[in-house]
Amino acid sequence: EVQLVESGGDLVQPGGSLRLSCAASGFTFSIYWMHWVRQAPGKGLEWVSLINSLASATSYADSVKGRFTISRDNTKNTLYLQMNNLRAEDTAVYYCARESAGGTSFDYWGQGTLVTVSS
Amino acid sequence: QSVLTQPPSVSAAPGQKVTISCSGSGSSTGINYISWYQHLPGTAPKLLIYDNNKRPSGIPDRISGSRSGTSATLGIIGLQTGDEADYYCAIWDNNLSAWVFGGGTKLTVL
Repeated sequence: EVQLVESGGDLVQPGGSLRLSCAASGFTFSIYWMHWVRQAPGKGLEWVSLINSLASATSYADSVKGRFTISRDNTKNTLYLQMNNLRAEDTAVYYCARESAGGTSFDYWGQGTLVTVSS
Repeated sequence: QSVLTQPPSVSAAPGQKVTISCSGSGSSTGINYISWYQHLPGTAPKLLIYDNNKRPSGIPDRISGSRSGTSATLGIIGLQTGDEADYYCAIWDNNLSAWVFGGGTKLTVL
């Protein structure tokens, strides 16, 4: 059974940093592209970042570019999101998601972890 | 840049049918595949439709997807109270090198 379990969400002050983790199991993590998607309170889903299977390519939403860094450790089956210079508008539930083998959808998602940026 | 526009809300009675539209603008929306997701806040979103009209294993055939040009439609027949959720369409934007979600549609089963 495919499982994605996020962790690391917390309350952090504006300008602070946080690292999220997503532990994957039940599939061959190293061959799949992975993503982070977030949902701010009362808002819709917003794509944040992707990383390819070998960690040789990444992409970011304009809203987080230069502040967030996605990475992965295929030996630990874990996806990460390093978030720096956090802003109040980064407050959201952050989900990790697996990109389908065909590359046209997100076929599995985690339950999410809450990041709150507030003083 | 792709923009996907969905109605904020739709509603229908149990047992009835509902459709949710996803209207796209931008060069990618006429080329790339649309996918649809069901989401109850605080839970993991679920893939309902991929490649415009394909259902993953385990998704019942009362849920369907269609595509016409730059627009897509999610259809649900035989509505159940358990279908109450938020529904999102999504597409990969070639120019942005980014995924784009529609704004989401809240389905209420009256």
